[in-house]
Amino acid sequence: GAVVSQHPSRVICKSGTSVKIECRSLDFQATTMFWYRQFPKKSLMLMATSNEGSKATYEQGVEKDKFLINHASLTLSTLTVTSAHPEDSSFYICSARRSGSGYTFGSGTRLTVV
Amino acid sequence: GDSVTQMEGPVTLSEEAFLTINCTYTATGYPSLFWYVQYPGEGLQLLLKATKADDKGSNKGFEATYRKETTSFHLEKGSVQVSDSAVYFCALSSNFGNEKLTFGTGTRLTIIP
Repeated sequence: GAVVSQHPSRVICKSGTSVKIECRSLDFQATTMFWYRQFPKKSLMLMATSNEGSKATYEQGVEKDKFLINHASLTLSTLTVTSAHPEDSSFYICSARRSGSGYTFGSGTRLTVV
Repeated sequence: GDSVTQMEGPVTLSEEAFLTINCTYTATGYPSLFWYVQYPGEGLQLLLKATKADDKGSNKGFEATYRKETTSFHLEKGSVQVSDSAVYFCALSSNFGNEKLTFGTGTRLTIIP
């Protein structure tokens, strides 16, 4: 079946540094990838939608300069949290979709900014 | 806009108890409805789905029926197991060419032996 690999699963970084999270579709080409953020005891908040070869579409209230999304190929999308601050600490999950099929989620990345 | 209202947890049940997690939605058109499950430390997995009114999704003993008249998609299981302990998310996807999923807040379920 469709598998999405998300890496790293956990990362701790210092305040002010940048962190890159990768999301790969291992056995299919993902026409669209989604990035979500999950707050404690709350639902998943969609941050942005990315299509291969084009700029990501960000949801209202999400800073595009802070959360850089690159969808360089049909199997790879990256989320870079720039100049991270403690309030950026969260669980980030990617999801990939291929045309005509459902959504496959990565296993998530726990980001802790200290 | 689209929204999903989900029963707040946490829910704690004894093994073999009957489970219901309520979910209602607001959407334009005819959305597809989903239940996702998140086990500790993992990402979301699709549990079941329904794409049109009166469809019943089922998997691993869980069921949910797409009720258009009540805009609901309640999750049920007749006899829960300890291994069902997880967070359950109800979600919808609008069928107006918008592919994104809208999630409910999630319900944490704990099953005690």
